[in-house]
Amino acid sequence: DAGVTQSPTHLIKTRGQQVTLRCSPKSGHDTVSWYQQALGQGPQFIFQYYEEEERQRGNFPDRFSGHQFPNYSSELNVNALLLGDSALYLCASSLGQGRHFGPGTRLLVL
Amino acid sequence: AQSVAQPEDQVNVAEGNPLTVKCTYSVSGNPYLFWYVQYPNRGLQFLLKYITGDNLVKGSYGFEAEFNKSQTSFHLKKPSALVSDSALYFCAVRAPGAGSYQLTFGKGTKLSVIP
Repeated sequence: DAGVTQSPTHLIKTRGQQVTLRCSPKSGHDTVSWYQQALGQGPQFIFQYYEEEERQRGNFPDRFSGHQFPNYSSELNVNALLLGDSALYLCASSLGQGRHFGPGTRLLVL
Repeated sequence: AQSVAQPEDQVNVAEGNPLTVKCTYSVSGNPYLFWYVQYPNRGLQFLLKYITGDNLVKGSYGFEAEFNKSQTSFHLKKPSALVSDSALYFCAVRAPGAGSYQLTFGKGTKLSVIP
């Protein structure tokens, strides 16, 4: 049984560009959350998707948007990239209380 | 607003000795509390959670945590540390009730187990 998978593993972009990160949840999980983990910090909640709708959003600007597909997979889109967007982006899937995290996508913005 | 504090950036312990990683929280209502571990260049791995019930929670790899409501703490413990326990540990809280889904994490504590 595959756990949470994320792609790509690493990504380099320049300021002003746009990026799309992808997440496939653990089998049987219907909810996907996205977190940003800056270097030396704990993960920060971006948003959560359930039934293809954004259910809750953290304190992130509108440049961060997402989508959930009928198969429960999800995308995180970030527009107009800033240097400060460089971080590890974690996807977590859940069914109930538990959260299973993927390995993350490391984004570097130059 | 909910928050988590992990007062120690780093904890060093000798192999075989007991370890404690501290966590305090702030949230309205009865909290849902979690501990995760992160190895270098990896995602977060779930260790244990407290939702309700017994204040002593047992989790993976011999770890346990004690929920103390009066002190708003949820310290992670292990009776005998292994070198392989060396990693970054995160405490997280979630507020109870419908409409609250986010986990709020502490900044993390780096645990180093010395052979």
